[in-house]
Amino acid sequence: NAGVMQNPRHLVRRRGQEARLRCSPMKGHSHVYWYRQLPEEGLKFMVYLQKENIIDESGMPKERFSAEFPKEGPSILRIQQVVRGDSAAYFCASSPGASVSHNEQFFGPGTRLTVL
Amino acid sequence: AQSVTQPDIHITVSEGASLELRCNYSYGATPYLFWYVQSPGQGLQLLLKYFSGDTLVQGIKGFEAEFKRSQSSFNLRKPSVHWSDAAEYFCAVRGGDTGRRALTFGSGTRLQVQP
Repeated sequence: NAGVMQNPRHLVRRRGQEARLRCSPMKGHSHVYWYRQLPEEGLKFMVYLQKENIIDESGMPKERFSAEFPKEGPSILRIQQVVRGDSAAYFCASSPGASVSHNEQFFGPGTRLTVL
Repeated sequence: AQSVTQPDIHITVSEGASLELRCNYSYGATPYLFWYVQSPGQGLQLLLKYFSGDTLVQGIKGFEAEFKRSQSSFNLRKPSVHWSDAAEYFCAVRGGDTGRRALTFGSGTRLQVQP
């Protein structure tokens, strides 16, 4: 049973380019969360999605960042026109569903984005 | 708003010594509390969690944590540290049954283990 998968593991972009980060949740999980970890800091929540719905995007920057979780395929975190301050590790987590007892989040290995 | 404070940025202990990592949270109702461990360049692994019931919870790798409502604390403990425990440890909180699902993390405690 594969865990949460993220790709790429490392991504290098130049300022102004676009970054696309992918997250495949664990089998049977329908909830996905994205977190960002800046160097020497803890993780900060960005967005929470269910299939085809954004449930909570209170942690997303207002500009350049977007996320989706389509009916088929992985969840995508998209960063347009990247700047050096976007350099961070981006983690995806998934959970099974709405039941309280199932709300544990399982984390992927992260994508480390470096903006030159 | 919920928040988590981990007062110790770095801790160094000798192998075989006991360990306690501090975590204080701020949340208006009964929180769900978690401890995660992160090895360098890796993702997060759940050590243990508290939802309700017994306030002393056991986790993996010999770790335990105690929820103390009166002190708003959820400190992580291990009686005898192994060199492989060197890593960064994060305490996290989220809302209860009807609260926000997103986790709020502390800034982490980096543990070094001396031989």
